[in-house]
Amino acid sequence: QKEVEQNSGPLSVPEGAIASLNCTYSDRGSQSFFWYRQYSGKSPELIMFIYSNGDKEDGRFTAQLNKASQYVSLLIRDSQPSDSATYLCADISNFGNEKLTFGTGTRLTIIP
Amino acid sequence: NAGVMQNPRHLVRRRGQEARLRCSPMKGHSHVYWYRQLPEEGLKFMVYLQKENIIDESGMPKERFSAEFPKEGPSILRIQQVVRGDSAAYFCASSSSGSGTYEQYFGPGTRLTVT
Repeated sequence: QKEVEQNSGPLSVPEGAIASLNCTYSDRGSQSFFWYRQYSGKSPELIMFIYSNGDKEDGRFTAQLNKASQYVSLLIRDSQPSDSATYLCADISNFGNEKLTFGTGTRLTIIP
Repeated sequence: NAGVMQNPRHLVRRRGQEARLRCSPMKGHSHVYWYRQLPEEGLKFMVYLQKENIIDESGMPKERFSAEFPKEGPSILRIQQVVRGDSAAYFCASSSSGSGTYEQYFGPGTRLTVT
């Protein structure tokens, strides 16, 4: 059974600092990962997609993937109060059957 | 460019009634996924459909739940004889097979309450 693990938090970070969110996965064959942001009572919003080892940057967000350690992370630079949300890590099943396996999410609070 | 649409946004049903949840994918998307989020829990995959085909229903309870994505019209998730444990947020997501990256975009969800 494929598993994706996240620390549920809450994680509190001062405004302007770097928020670091982590995720580990059980399936060594997993290829690709998504990060979603979910505000309370809302639907998940896609932030990043990563499938190669290393870093991928998009604005204030950087996703990091280390397949050897089965570890995915999301860094948020210059954290803003509007970044306060639950962040979900998801493992795509395999290309051709693309169901997502989600972690339980990390609740992030940015402190003004 | 309209996003994924779901209706109704809120649905209240008494135990034993039927619930029908609808999802229209983003324009150009032919893949539809249904996920369920129980209170204070993570998102769980239920079913993956393409037009007129169920590709993977491994996450769907064997009884009372069914899904379809007809040639015309929205995808429908149907729950028969609802019980209180069915109360949850049901999200639909869609993707394009041509994107190469398989990003899934979520609709606003249907919040089902069973009384």
